[in-house]
Amino acid sequence: GENVEQHPSTLSVQEGDSAVIKCTYSDSASNYFPWYKQELGKRPQLIIDIRSNVGEKKDQRIAVTLNKTAKHFSLHITETQPEDSAVYFCAARMDSSYKLIFGSGTRLLVRP
Amino acid sequence: DTAVSQTPKYLVTQMGNDKSIKCEQNLGHDTMYWYKQDSKKFLKIMFSYNNKELIINETVPNRFSPKSPDKAHLNLHINSLELGDSAVYFCASSQDGGMSAFFGQGTRLTVV
Repeated sequence: GENVEQHPSTLSVQEGDSAVIKCTYSDSASNYFPWYKQELGKRPQLIIDIRSNVGEKKDQRIAVTLNKTAKHFSLHITETQPEDSAVYFCAARMDSSYKLIFGSGTRLLVRP
Repeated sequence: DTAVSQTPKYLVTQMGNDKSIKCEQNLGHDTMYWYKQDSKKFLKIMFSYNNKELIINETVPNRFSPKSPDKAHLNLHINSLELGDSAVYFCASSQDGGMSAFFGQGTRLTVV
């Protein structure tokens, strides 16, 4: 079955610096890759997603890149702010499946 | 106006008891899910219903039984609760079968 690995498990950056979180997936049939942000005690919330026919997508300070050949995708946050501190999850879904498989999460801490 | 709502938000109960968690979505989505988030923050899918039909049933003990009376509701009943069932349970819904999943606020279950 599909497996999603996420690295690093924790990431600490200085305010204003960039943060990069990487994920790899196992099933080449996967075609949808969302990223979720979960603040402490809150629900996971979708922040950006990308489909397999696109290599890169950007929304203000966040961007996601996808390398289908290598089966990995990454989240990039530029000009980080303390309110970016949260746990970030990547996920992957196959076209034929209703199943969204999550990575293990990255705890991002942005130091003021 | 909450899109995906779960009740209760907190549930503390003794081992061996039976309890239910309710979920309702007003987004008109066809697919609903139950996810379990353990103390290490792993988000693991448990069940999924599409238009009231069970389509995903992961390797979950049969003490857990989902019920979908209509496509806007997905409830989770747990029999003979065990200490290891303590976790946060998230309900989610999506329109496109796993894409853009929208999460409820979670139910923190503590079994003592």
